[in-house]
Amino acid sequence: ETGVTQSPTHLIKTRGQQVTLRCSSQSGHNTVSWYQQALGQGPQFIFQYYREEENGRGNFPPRFSGLQFPNYSSELNVNALELDDSALYLCASSPAQRTTDTQYFGPGTRLTVL
Amino acid sequence: GDSVTQMEGPVTLSEEAFLTINCTYTATGYPSLFWYVQYPGEGLQLLLKATKADDKGSNKGFEATYRKETTSFHLEKGSVQVSDSAVYFCALRQNTDKLIFGTGTRLQVFP
Repeated sequence: ETGVTQSPTHLIKTRGQQVTLRCSSQSGHNTVSWYQQALGQGPQFIFQYYREEENGRGNFPPRFSGLQFPNYSSELNVNALELDDSALYLCASSPAQRTTDTQYFGPGTRLTVL
Repeated sequence: GDSVTQMEGPVTLSEEAFLTINCTYTATGYPSLFWYVQYPGEGLQLLLKATKADDKGSNKGFEATYRKETTSFHLEKGSVQVSDSAVYFCALRQNTDKLIFGTGTRLQVFP
């Protein structure tokens, strides 16, 4: 059983550009969530996808968008990058949507915006 | 809204010392509670969880008990090792979508 994987590991972009981050969920998991972790902070919830539909969203602007595919892999897209978007982006998958379910995290993508 | 408060770090201990990292939460309902650990340069790993009041989660010598009366979920370990050095995050999950994290507590263990 493979865990959650993310690509790329690191990414450097300039302000105003667009970026796509990718996540492959753990086998059998139909729910994926994305988090932003700024340096020295706890992760902040961006949004969640369940069966290809957005299922919840945190306090992030619309330029943060996502997709979930039929194989439950997922993308996070960020348009019009700002310097404050520099962070570690974490994806997490879970087997269902129960409150008691564990979310399993990938290793993250480190995004630097110059 | 729901929130998690953790003690500020860093927590600095000698090997084999007793560890406590305090975590308290605010929630309107009955959340599930989690401890995650983050090693340098890595993502988050689940350490333990508890899903209802008085449950005790345990893993790798770490323990935490879900105390509804004090809204707490303190992490403890009887004897820490250098390899336990990491950042520890307390989190709650109230709704089915998001985890709400504390700001993290850095633990440094010296030989």
